[in-house]
Order: sequence, then C-alpha cells, then structure tokens
Amino acid sequence: DSGVTQTPKHLITATGQRVTLRCSPRSGDLSVYWYQQSLDQGLQFLIQYYNGEERAKGNILERFSAQQFPDLHSELNLSSLELGDSALYFCASSVVAAGPNEQFFGPGTRLTVL
Amino acid sequence: AQSVSQHNHHVILSEAASLELGCNYSYGGTVNLFWYVQYPGQHLQLLLKYFSGDPLVKGIKGFEAEFIKSKFSFNLRKPSVQWSDTAEYFCAVNALSGGYQKVTFGTGTKLQVIP
Repeated sequence: DSGVTQTPKHLITATGQRVTLRCSPRSGDLSVYWYQQSLDQGLQFLIQYYNGEERAKGNILERFSAQQFPDLHSELNLSSLELGDSALYFCASSVVAAGPNEQFFGPGTRLTVL
Repeated sequence: AQSVSQHNHHVILSEAASLELGCNYSYGGTVNLFWYVQYPGQHLQLLLKYFSGDPLVKGIKGFEAEFIKSKFSFNLRKPSVQWSDTAEYFCAVNALSGGYQKVTFGTGTKLQVIP
C-alpha cells in the first residue's frame, strides 16, 4: 500500500459523458501527478499539481482538466468521452514539486467508455 | 524535449536466466533516474533510483542498474530472474524542462519469466 488512494476503482460510462476521478495523496505529500496508461500509448504523463497550483503539463487533452484542492486531494475531470479514453488512470504523489524525489502511485481507476 | 527509450517491449526468459533491460534517455543536463515495476494488476512501485554518486545502484529484490552518462543509459539488471519477477518495468527520467522538473516515463518492458 503506497498511501495514495484513488476512487473509484472502476468506472463504466458512455461516449459523450463526463466523469471525475479522485485522488488523495500520501500524508505530507504536496505534489500530485496524473497519468494515463493504455495498451497502445503506454504510460503517459498528463499533469502535475503542487500545493494547489498547476506545475507541469504533459499530453493532456483539452477535454481533460484537473485541480488540486486546499486539502491537497486532486480531481481529474474527463469530458466528452470517446472510446479511446478507455484506460487506466493513475495518480501519484511526492513530497516536493521538483528534484530527485520518488513518486508513490495509487492503485488506479480503470475507465471503460462504451 | 526529454525522452526515454526502452527498446525491449517484451522479454521472455526462463527462471535463473540473467536479465538486462535497456533504457536510454535524451537530455543533456542533470538527470535523476528511476526504474519502476508494475506487477500484474498492481500499481507502479519504485525498484531503484539514481541521484548522484556511485553510478551502480542497487534496488529491491536483487535488481541493480548502472548509469553510464556517456551513453545516456540506465540499464536494469538482475543476475538470476524468478517467476515472481514477471511484471512490466518502466524507466523514468526526472529533469529540468521549461523551468520545471518533469518526469518522463519510457513505454515499458513486459517481462515474462517461464518456470
């Protein structure tokens, strides 16, 4: 158990819908990262937040957005869902925003878009 | 932009065979390097990391990796694999990009160990 929690574990929805994935970082970690893992794209970094502010952006689509709240939990919002958005979405956290710090990964949310 | 290449996408070994998984990165500055492992149905967890000092780093479960700066490589090795090492292995690089530290993961190598 990494100490990072993600809800829900599984999500099944239809194309065109909107979903929200939630992540709670390890106690004391200020940085949250979101990743998408799919069979064809591998592990893709989406976005990073540090202490409530966006810190780095990766291959995140405009239909996706995220935020980090004052209690440091984060939500990833996926809208106008397409079949290709079906993937495992991981959240990770680390103590600081930068530097040689290890990321601790949550168990992931498996999203299936039908 | 920094990138990470893992050339072996799928490796099949028999138990007790030696393992070497390649990882090359493209970035000219200071980097921190990681190997993560994802066991079937589980989340990623850290195997080992390199920040500075001895370029040969040892991780959990008998894994080690060697940082060769001149080759921009950080290959993962294990002298004798076990069935329980069946998993997907990801190399990652943390480097300064656009004013921020950014972590880039490789595409992963699936290791299948046959008993």
